Amino acid sequence: QSALTQPPSASGSPGQSVTISCTGTSNDVGRHNYVSWYHQHPGKAPKLIIYEVSKRPSGVPDRFSGSKSGNTASLTVSGLQAEDEADYYCSSYADIKTLVVFGGGTKLTVL
Amino acid sequence: EVQLVESGGGLVEPGGSLRLSCGTSGITFGNAWMTWVRQAPGKGPEWVGRIKDSTQGATTDYAAVVKGRFTISRDDSKNMVFLQMDGLKTEDTAVYYCVKGLCTDTGCHWDDAFDIWGQGTMVTVSS
Repeated sequence: QSALTQPPSASGSPGQSVTISCTGTSNDVGRHNYVSWYHQHPGKAPKLIIYEVSKRPSGVPDRFSGSKSGNTASLTVSGLQAEDEADYYCSSYADIKTLVVFGGGTKLTVL
Repeated sequence: EVQLVESGGGLVEPGGSLRLSCGTSGITFGNAWMTWVRQAPGKGPEWVGRIKDSTQGATTDYAAVVKGRFTISRDDSKNMVFLQMDGLKTEDTAVYYCVKGLCTDTGCHWDDAFDIWGQGTMVTVSS
């Protein structure tokens, strides 16, 4: 069982927006503003798309946005495109015992 | 081009050992904290452990599930990082990735945001 809880699936039509949640605890998501999001296409390594809750690394489209409220972080993908179909994972800095915790993943389907 | 390349994966019996290697290029390896992340088939990634740079004693931290069995080391002369895995269990079966934290104008996210990943190497623990 993963440390962070994500819905197993999400879907949307091209051009629509979809939001994926990531629920942790007061020891990880709720305590630190170090939430990251990754997407992963089949057979590939994960790719970082959001860090520090809402910042985008260079080259990541502004269609991807992040936010946090309490122990829950969220990723919104706007203007869905076929290439956005992938598995999405959240992560959070945690504590000195387990530095980083990940979510179990959400499979995003573009209808 | 920034690149991380893992090697050393394979099939091993429970209780056995395996040593993974990660070669790097295009990064300032001597200053980098390097992390190992694994991903079991059909599951989310799992943080395994991290080694700091040599100026900080190359100190290591590990996930509780591997502490005492896995050891991370580095060779700065070869720009390489290693993961020695002993006492392997079936639940250690996963793709193992060598990863590096994101560095921006304001600093490096060694422990919370990983922007450089290797291609991964598969470790299968089975009898």
